[in-house]
Amino acid sequence: SSELTQDPAVSVALGQTVTITCQGDSLRMYFVTWYQQKPGQAPVVVIYGKNNRPSGIPDRFSGSNSGNTASLTISGAQAEDEADYYCNCRDTNASPVVFGEGTKLTVL
Amino acid sequence: VQLLESGGGLVQPGGSLRLSCVASGFNFNMYAMSWVRQAPGKGLEWVSSISVRGGSTYYADSVEGRFTISRDNSMNTLYLHMNSLSAEDTALFYCAKWGCDGACFDSWGQGTLVTVSS
Repeated sequence: SSELTQDPAVSVALGQTVTITCQGDSLRMYFVTWYQQKPGQAPVVVIYGKNNRPSGIPDRFSGSNSGNTASLTISGAQAEDEADYYCNCRDTNASPVVFGEGTKLTVL
Repeated sequence: VQLLESGGGLVQPGGSLRLSCVASGFNFNMYAMSWVRQAPGKGLEWVSSISVRGGSTYYADSVEGRFTISRDNSMNTLYLHMNSLSAEDTALFYCAKWGCDGACFDSWGQGTLVTVSS
């Protein structure tokens, strides 16, 4: 299957803006979904499709795509945003979907 | 929407297990469903997916030939039959609904833990 590559860890100062990226060939063809996972909890969708936010997700979360790279931006990061973030999209091969390895976001 | 997994537990290497996921709060027979697992301290790994009526199934290379996904739309239940289990299969197994108009896993259960150990 294809791969999606993410930085293992990113940090941001409270209130500042941070961007988490995801790279992979599948992103040239399919939209990315971003999931937030806090310790001991199931993942939650924060961005899907063409920069769509499910209800209840703050508007400080936004997404963008360019070529083989997708980005999740948190504008004005809050302490509660500290979590693992995974990208996910359809796959160009036989398997329907693929996940990135995840990025651990620390809010300082 | 609620997804409630069960069936996890401790199993010896080479053993078998059947996971179940009971869905409620949505029209189960209108959505593709999947299993996603997460090994302790590791990331998310897609395992298997099944189409709305069960006619199409998909598997990760790591489980192909050992796992079988199925569903019973009359019981709003998703299953994962797992055979020839090894330590590498130790993980929290999530049931997930494919939603967002076909773009994402929009609902997840809380997971059921499978531990493969002698």
